[in-house]
Amino acid sequence: GQNIDQPTEMTATEGAIVQINCTYQTSGFNGLFWYQQHAGEAPTFLSYNVLDGLEEKGRFSSFLSRSKGYSYLLLKELQMKDSASYLCAVRDSDYKLSFGAGTTVTVRA
Amino acid sequence: ETGVTQTPRHLVMGMTNKKSLKCEQHLGHNAMYWYKQSAKKPLELMFVYNFKEQTENNSVPSRFSPECPNSSHLFLHLHTLQPEDSALYLCASSQSRGDQETQYFGPGTRLLVL
Repeated sequence: GQNIDQPTEMTATEGAIVQINCTYQTSGFNGLFWYQQHAGEAPTFLSYNVLDGLEEKGRFSSFLSRSKGYSYLLLKELQMKDSASYLCAVRDSDYKLSFGAGTTVTVRA
Repeated sequence: ETGVTQTPRHLVMGMTNKKSLKCEQHLGHNAMYWYKQSAKKPLELMFVYNFKEQTENNSVPSRFSPECPNSSHLFLHLHTLQPEDSALYLCASSQSRGDQETQYFGPGTRLLVL
């Protein structure tokens, strides 16, 4: 099966930076996704990486290293509304999407 | 965001009941998915439909029965469920199962089996 690991919880202060790491071992690789999920709501798409490097989108950036099976999501200038669960998901060679258990980020004032 | 809608949002049912979950996507997508999300666990893919044809059944018990009458609608029929089936059931859609297609999720149905 697929193996996707990310920390369970992280806490940071408003205005700070938080980096959520994700490591994966999958059968083939066809892209890595990050989703944000607020409690009781749908996961919403944040970013997609298929090539090595950094993808920047406003306050959020996502990095991928395929050789290391590693990605991170960087959240800058944290706001209270960023408190949510962040899901790392990897698409394998069969185009099946496998998810990590999610990282709950709590932003404190 | 109302691209993917799900009803009901909450459902409580006994183990002998029969109920159905409904998903509708307004994005013109061709692929639809059912996922199960349990507390502190990864999303588990249950079923995939591509152009109304079921292309994946991820070893899901037969007490869960999917139906896809057209590319915009997806149902999950439930009968004789167990308490461990209590979870958030998420529907998603994408343009197709091909490369670089992002899945968009509905808000989910929170199911409690008593």
